[in-house]
Amino acid sequence: GQQLNQSPQSMFIQEGEDVSMNCTSSSIFNTWLWYKQDPGEGPVLLIALYKAGELTSNGRLTAQFGITRKDSFLNISASIPSDVGIYFCAGYNNNDMRFGAGTRLTVKP
Amino acid sequence: DTEVTQTPKHLVMGMTNKKSLKCEQHMGHRAMYWYKQKAKKPPELMFVYSYEKLSINESVPSRFSPECPNSSLLNLHLHALQPEDSALYLCASSQDKARTMGTQYFGPGTRLLVL
Repeated sequence: GQQLNQSPQSMFIQEGEDVSMNCTSSSIFNTWLWYKQDPGEGPVLLIALYKAGELTSNGRLTAQFGITRKDSFLNISASIPSDVGIYFCAGYNNNDMRFGAGTRLTVKP
Repeated sequence: DTEVTQTPKHLVMGMTNKKSLKCEQHMGHRAMYWYKQKAKKPPELMFVYSYEKLSINESVPSRFSPECPNSSLLNLHLHALQPEDSALYLCASSQDKARTMGTQYFGPGTRLLVL
């Protein structure tokens, strides 16, 4: 299916910096999800959001479900080397799951 | 426990071979999925099973044949594949409740190489 618009495509940051990435869509979703994928592995669920306006944290990660239900962002605070990987957003509505193209994060020690 | 397991981890097969990929979850999830993922791309949905019945087939070629023997197991039977079918094949599962149906948990994947 059609991908979500995820940005940025890639990020190169210094250890300790904060990171922000987002996803937008022309369609409404009932669920927004953020996954992290390491090379050769399956995506690991980081945060699931179910309600417009919802702000949820998981350790150093914070994600929000946009009020319009057409967007979501993910913030990572105080990045560490193990944050390296590809982050995917996903939106779900009525058996329809769409993924963003991914944000490739590189963290320099 | 949010674990989905997949075997094998890696698979190399010729175009005339028949092989199967296996997926298992013990989270009581009643929806299970097969995805195909090419390098540097997001996962692409192939099949969805809900309560052991095939509910979605995303126009996948018949050389891929899914099977759901019971609520915990999902297989993907492969026959006469093409080199372009080489990819990471991911299994996922989710609850059947409307609110959390989209919250899918992925397995580690099977890296498939077709020669």
